[in-house]
Amino acid sequence: KAGVTQTPRYLIKTRGQQVTLSCSPISGHRSVSWYQQTPGQGLQFLFEYFSETQRNKGNFPGRFSGRQFSNSRSEMNVSTLELGDSALYLCASSLIGRQGNENTEAFFGQGTRLTVV
Amino acid sequence: SQQGEEDPQALSIQEGENATMNCSYKTSINNLQWYRQNSGRGLVHLILIRSNEREKHSGRLRVTLDTSKKSSSLLITASRAADTASYFCATGPGSARQLTFGSGTQLTVLP
Repeated sequence: KAGVTQTPRYLIKTRGQQVTLSCSPISGHRSVSWYQQTPGQGLQFLFEYFSETQRNKGNFPGRFSGRQFSNSRSEMNVSTLELGDSALYLCASSLIGRQGNENTEAFFGQGTRLTVV
Repeated sequence: SQQGEEDPQALSIQEGENATMNCSYKTSINNLQWYRQNSGRGLVHLILIRSNEREKHSGRLRVTLDTSKKSSSLLITASRAADTASYFCATGPGSARQLTFGSGTQLTVLP
């Protein structure tokens, strides 16, 4: 079974630009979560999607948004990039039912390394 | 914000020795998970322990959970150079969908 795939792996953008990152979950997984990892703040939860609906959102500004498609693939978008947005962005997929199976693992992709200059 | 704090922040041992990492968390949990990360790459899931479990084993890994102390430990036995990585504990409100990670322990295993 293929793992979680994130594209692109590396990205360099200029301040003020916007960026879109993509995540393809493990086949059959309908829950997709996004995390930001920086040296200063560590790993922080961005948001989670299930069946094309955002179910949870972390404490990030509105410049960070996401969506999920009917095939469970997800994208996250960051608009008006700031230097502080430079980070490793990780996507995770989980096999969770609509009721929310509470004891399942999250499987992570290799991440997208975003550098804002 | 970080739910968990890991201790120690860095650990350096010789190959063949055991490595123990500790994690403390603040709120009640349904489960706690441990992950490994090599050099800023993706996270690899190691083990999940439910709140009603006290100990769990997987190969050379042993995880304990003490919900009364809100703490967990990860023991790697007979460590290898390939175990060199950062190790994170993560807790959630009840599922994998909103994990809160600890600050991580950087383990270095010297050959």
